Amino acid sequence: ETGVTQSPTHLIKTRGQQVTLRCSSQSGHNTVSWYQQALGQGPQFIFQYYREEENGRGNFPPRFSGLQFPNYSSELNVNALELDDSALYLCASSLDRRGYTFGSGTRLTVV
Amino acid sequence: TQLLEQSPQFLSIQEGENLTVYCNSSSVFSSLQWYRQEPGEGPVLLVTVVTGGEVKKLKRLTFQFGDARKDSSLHITAAQPGDTGLYLCAGWAISSGSARQLTFGSGTQLTVLP
Repeated sequence: ETGVTQSPTHLIKTRGQQVTLRCSSQSGHNTVSWYQQALGQGPQFIFQYYREEENGRGNFPPRFSGLQFPNYSSELNVNALELDDSALYLCASSLDRRGYTFGSGTRLTVV
Repeated sequence: TQLLEQSPQFLSIQEGENLTVYCNSSSVFSSLQWYRQEPGEGPVLLVTVVTGGEVKKLKRLTFQFGDARKDSSLHITAAQPGDTGLYLCAGWAISSGSARQLTFGSGTQLTVLP
């Protein structure tokens, strides 16, 4: 079975721009969660999608938005990028919130 | 304020030494997990503990879930350089605001020197 795949692996954006990060969930998984991780810190929950609907959201502003598609893949969109948005963005898929499998992440740098 | 506090934040030890990492909270968790993360990679699940007082062993790693399900510990015996990494505890809190999200601790960066 394939694992969780995230793209791109690295990305550099300018402050004020918009970015879309993509995640292909593990085969058979119907839940996708997105996390933001600063260097040396634990991941912070952004939001979770279950069967194409947002199923929980962390303390992130509305300019962080997402989508889940019928094949359970997902996108994370961030508008009006700020310097503090620079981080590793992790996607995790699971089946009904059990056994999270993480992707390798997208390293976003905002300059 | 972190829902899950880990200590220590940084730990640097010599190969062969033993160590314990702690994960504490004022909230009750239905289950707790421990992950290990290496640079440039996502966290990899090591273990899940579900029952208060539960102890699980994974080779040289011993995990314990507190009786009240508010805390957990990870003990490594005879650490090796390959154990180096960021250790993260995570769990589902039994509270309406965060029951749906897997909450992570602040992490413990372990370095084992040869």
